[in-house]
Amino acid sequence: AQSVSQHNHHVILSEAASLELGCNYSYGGTVNLFWYVQYPGQHLQLLLKYFSGDPLVKGIKGFEAEFIKSKFSFNLRKPSVQWSDTAEYFCAVEGSQGNLIFGKGTKLSVKP
Amino acid sequence: EADIYQTPRYLVIGTGKKITLECSQTMGHDKMYWYQQDPGMELHLIHYSYGVNSTEKGDLSSESTVSRIRTEHFPLTLESARPSHTSQYLCASSDKEGYGQYFGPGTRLTVT
Repeated sequence: AQSVSQHNHHVILSEAASLELGCNYSYGGTVNLFWYVQYPGQHLQLLLKYFSGDPLVKGIKGFEAEFIKSKFSFNLRKPSVQWSDTAEYFCAVEGSQGNLIFGKGTKLSVKP
Repeated sequence: EADIYQTPRYLVIGTGKKITLECSQTMGHDKMYWYQQDPGMELHLIHYSYGVNSTEKGDLSSESTVSRIRTEHFPLTLESARPSHTSQYLCASSDKEGYGQYFGPGTRLTVT
C-alpha cells in the first residue's frame, strides 16, 4: 500500500528564514504528488502539484517543490518565510482510487 | 462561485443519535470523497464516489454510510453515533486524476 512520510512534526522558524519540509512516498511507479496547506481555522488548500514534466514545480505564495524519483522524495521549499506562512502543511500522493494518501502533516510556526 | 460546502461546521451530539453530515459542491465534479482527520494524524479515506449512484468504502473502516443521488450532493450518515466517532470529517471533490482535490471546511463532530 502507498504511504507518505513527513519527517518533521513541528518546525519553528523566524521570519526570512529558509524553509524545507521533507516528504517521502513509498510507491515506485508513476505518481501524482501534492502539497496542501491548512491555515488556522481554514480548509485545506492546494499549494502545488506534480504529475509529469519538470520535476521542480512552483506553487502559490512563493512555494516550490522538487520531485526526486530516485529518492522517492517531494520536498517543499520556500526561500524566505513570512509570519503569514504559519500553517499546517500536508504532503500527499494520489492513490489508485483517485483519492489522496496524506502524510501526518508538519506544523510550521513562523515567529515575527 | 465554484466551491464546496459542508454543514454543520461543528456538532455535539449524544451517543446513539442518528446524524447526517452534508456536503455539496458547485463545480460539477464527478468524483467526491469523505476523509476522517484526527489531530496529528493523516487524513484517512472513508468513502468515495465516482458519480451518481456510485459509492465505495475507503481504506479506513467506518460505520458510516453515504449516498450519491445527485452529482453535487454527497451526504454521510451515522445511524448510531458513538464517542469513537468523534473526529473531523472532510469532504472533497475532483474532476480529473492528477489535478488535486478541492476540500470543504470540514465538520468537527463530538459524540458525548
